[in-house]
Amino acid sequence: KQEVTQIPAALSVPEGENLVLNCSFTDSAIYNLQWFRQDPGKGLTSLLLIQSSQREQTSGRLNASLDKSSGRSTLYIAASQPGDSATYLCAENSGGSNYKLTFGKGTLLTVNP
Amino acid sequence: SQTIHQWPATLVQPVGSPLSLECTVEGTSNPNLYWYRQAAGRGLQLLFYSVGIGQISSEVPQNLSASRPQDRQFILSSKKLLLSDSGFYLCAWSMGYQPQHFGDGTRLSIL
Repeated sequence: KQEVTQIPAALSVPEGENLVLNCSFTDSAIYNLQWFRQDPGKGLTSLLLIQSSQREQTSGRLNASLDKSSGRSTLYIAASQPGDSATYLCAENSGGSNYKLTFGKGTLLTVNP
Repeated sequence: SQTIHQWPATLVQPVGSPLSLECTVEGTSNPNLYWYRQAAGRGLQLLFYSVGIGQISSEVPQNLSASRPQDRQFILSSKKLLLSDSGFYLCAWSMGYQPQHFGDGTRLSIL
């Protein structure tokens, strides 16, 4: 059974700081890994998807990396802003015909002005 | 562009009452469809997924069922709700291994 762990559970930083969110997974045969953002009481918004053959993906101030050998992914947020405050979830897809995702419990990020 | 609609946004139901939550997707054909439940402290749990009309797979034994009567319609149902069915229910769609796209969710409270 695949497991996804996110540490820390919560993080508070001052505006402008660069930060890293961590995600670890147990599935050595991971197909891809996805990072999502969830605002309070809302659905999830897809941020980045990294294929197993890739090392990283970038979108604006966000950079996600993937290290299959160590079972880890990181989400780097540059120059954080109060609008980045949200819960960030990672999810791994192990492939197969069902396309299922296994989610971590998320990291609650607060960026203080 | 593709959109996903999920309703209602909030629902308060008594124990033992039936449930029907609906999700529809626009702008795509034959998407994979998913129902998740998010409970405090437990993360996002996949309940059902469907790769085509009438094809439903259940991930965990529970008091709920799902149906896909049309290509882009996914329904979550229960005949008799339990207190433990309370939570935040999310519908999502994807094309193959592409990113999943989520609806805004339904907050279900059981009294």
